[in-house]
Amino acid sequence: DAKTTQPPSMDCAEGRAANLPCNHSTISGNEYVYWYRQIHSQGPQYIIHGLKNNETNEMASLIITEDRKSSTLILPHATLRDTAVYYCIVRVAYNQGGKLIFGQGTELSVKP
Amino acid sequence: GAVVSQHPSWVICKSGTSVKIECRSLDFQATTMFWYRQFPKQSLMLMATSNEGSKATYEQGVEKDKFLINHASLTLSTLTVTSAHPEDSSFYICSARFPDTQYFGPGTRLTVL
Repeated sequence: DAKTTQPPSMDCAEGRAANLPCNHSTISGNEYVYWYRQIHSQGPQYIIHGLKNNETNEMASLIITEDRKSSTLILPHATLRDTAVYYCIVRVAYNQGGKLIFGQGTELSVKP
Repeated sequence: GAVVSQHPSWVICKSGTSVKIECRSLDFQATTMFWYRQFPKQSLMLMATSNEGSKATYEQGVEKDKFLINHASLTLSTLTVTSAHPEDSSFYICSARFPDTQYFGPGTRLTVL
């Protein structure tokens, strides 16, 4: 599975959009981009995933560049409860041996 | 939907004893479950992949005789830490695959005295 690079930390003002970048320049055509977050002392929470197209759900939006070498997770109106470590992970489908391998992630602090 | 539970949420045991952690998928069936371990201020480390009805697949460097995994049903996987020592103290987290996304349990904090 391809490696991802994320900034170690970011700050965001409450109520503003939080844009979390992720670089995955060695991604293969059959690898998906997954985003999870982990609030302190809890299990990771699934946020969103995509292959090529941009995706949106009730939690966030995922923007994937056309060359698929990077992506951005957008939390449209960050709240204090969004303070967490956000993980960007790329992997192939499970039936191709894909595993969810966590990197160091981005520690997002939402401030009042 | 896609809720995963773990029991216990925390456990304290004496060195040399064994501890069993349960992972359950509450509203779906999971043919595949995963076990992770997380030390303080570190990321999650995949320990093993558990498939229902077959032997678990362990990641390199994880002792299969120390971390016994059983996935006896489509909703339950167990991790037994045998002869636990203080260095096994950690946050153990399971996840279940449904259908192509993994959902995580709340974790179990193990402290070995």
